[in-house]
Amino acid sequence: GAVVSQHPSRVICKSGTSVKIECRSLDFQATTMFWYRQFPKQSLMLMATSNEGSKATYEQGVEKDKFLINHASLTLSTLTVTSAHPEDSSFYICSARAGDRVDEQFFGPGTRLTVL
Amino acid sequence: QKEVEQDPGPLSVPEGAIVSLNCTYSNSAFQYFMWYRQYSRKGPELLMYTYSSGNKEDGRFTAQVDKSSKYISLFIRDSQPSDSATYLCAMSRPGGGNKLTFGTGTQLKVEL
Repeated sequence: GAVVSQHPSRVICKSGTSVKIECRSLDFQATTMFWYRQFPKQSLMLMATSNEGSKATYEQGVEKDKFLINHASLTLSTLTVTSAHPEDSSFYICSARAGDRVDEQFFGPGTRLTVL
Repeated sequence: QKEVEQDPGPLSVPEGAIVSLNCTYSNSAFQYFMWYRQYSRKGPELLMYTYSSGNKEDGRFTAQVDKSSKYISLFIRDSQPSDSATYLCAMSRPGGGNKLTFGTGTQLKVEL
């Protein structure tokens, strides 16, 4: 149980295009999902908290107009990187809360974004 | 200063060795402490979860938390090549909405 999937696993795009990444909880409902970004040899940095049916809460320094988050259902959250640039190239990971406890948070396999 | 400090390694040990991984932190509000294992190009997988100070053992893994020193450790006994991965510590505080603050991760390689 508690499986989280992400799609696509890898994406390469040209500078200026938009990219959508999906995060799905496969066998549980998640009212809250988190989006992280991880640069090589660096820690996971929380970008935003996504709550089903409401606006996402962004961490300080994260541009909400650039990283659009939609949590339309209890099993799906999407992150859209708008007008992507090479500096947006990174590993994007989502996690989904399966319960109220802090250890009941399960991570997806990540999406490698490369912007040319 | 980062809230959570972790030596990125790499750390290379022979098979069967005892591995010690550590993190220090500066925020005394952290109460929940976790260790995750992350294989290359994969998402983190929870290994150990500890609330407040003390020890917790699960198979070959032991997690220790010393809140007075703001120091946590993960010990791996009888290390195996399959343990080769990046190990991330993570912490959370009560009332923080279950947000996790991660260390940079320590890259571990267990050699035959």
